[in-house]
Amino acid sequence: DQQVKQNSPSLSVQEGRISILNCDYTNSMFDYFLWYKKYPAEGPTFLISISSIKDKNEDGRFTVFLNKSAKHLSLHIVPSQPGDSAVYFCAASGDTGFQKLVFGTGTRLLVSP
Amino acid sequence: GAVVSQHPSRVICKSGTSVKIECRSLDFQATTMFWYRQFPKQSLMLMATSNEGSKATYEQGVEKDKFLINHASLTLSTLTVTSAHPEDSSFYICSALSIAGETDTQYFGPGTRLTVL
Repeated sequence: DQQVKQNSPSLSVQEGRISILNCDYTNSMFDYFLWYKKYPAEGPTFLISISSIKDKNEDGRFTVFLNKSAKHLSLHIVPSQPGDSAVYFCAASGDTGFQKLVFGTGTRLLVSP
Repeated sequence: GAVVSQHPSRVICKSGTSVKIECRSLDFQATTMFWYRQFPKQSLMLMATSNEGSKATYEQGVEKDKFLINHASLTLSTLTVTSAHPEDSSFYICSALSIAGETDTQYFGPGTRLTVL
């Protein structure tokens, strides 16, 4: 049972445009959400997080939106840059422990010049 | 930022042998570390939670006698894959929990690619 889902396996965007990556979850006990970026053969790198008490968190070009009623979160990258090309994972925690993360399957973002 | 290292980055071994993977937090102390496994085109699956000075907590379906975890210090956790078989071939990633301010953050190592022949 996949509790965290990223339904788009891939996304292609032109440089300078907005990239929107989506994530859905099923467990209403999740109360903390994170986005990680991963390059091939490397470990994930933390990007941005959001607590369930907020609906938006912004850090530079990255903004995460949380819609608790829809159990949906999204990561917006604007403007997108070729260096943003990577696999993006959303992760959630809060069910069996604050630190235990449940990851989605990832979305491969390709930003073309 | 917080840095986590893993060693080795790649290992190829024969079926039936054991392999040890090290995970180190280089610039912070971590009482808690996590071990994940990632199969191709799948998400990272948590295998176990490693706590310094105590026994690891394994996720359902993960054999504790096959995947031995030792968290001997605040900066080092090891995962030993015992009697490895080809189905154990995977990408193993550790993370170390940094507790700072209001939130905890997991910082991940670069991963270890295990190939069992």
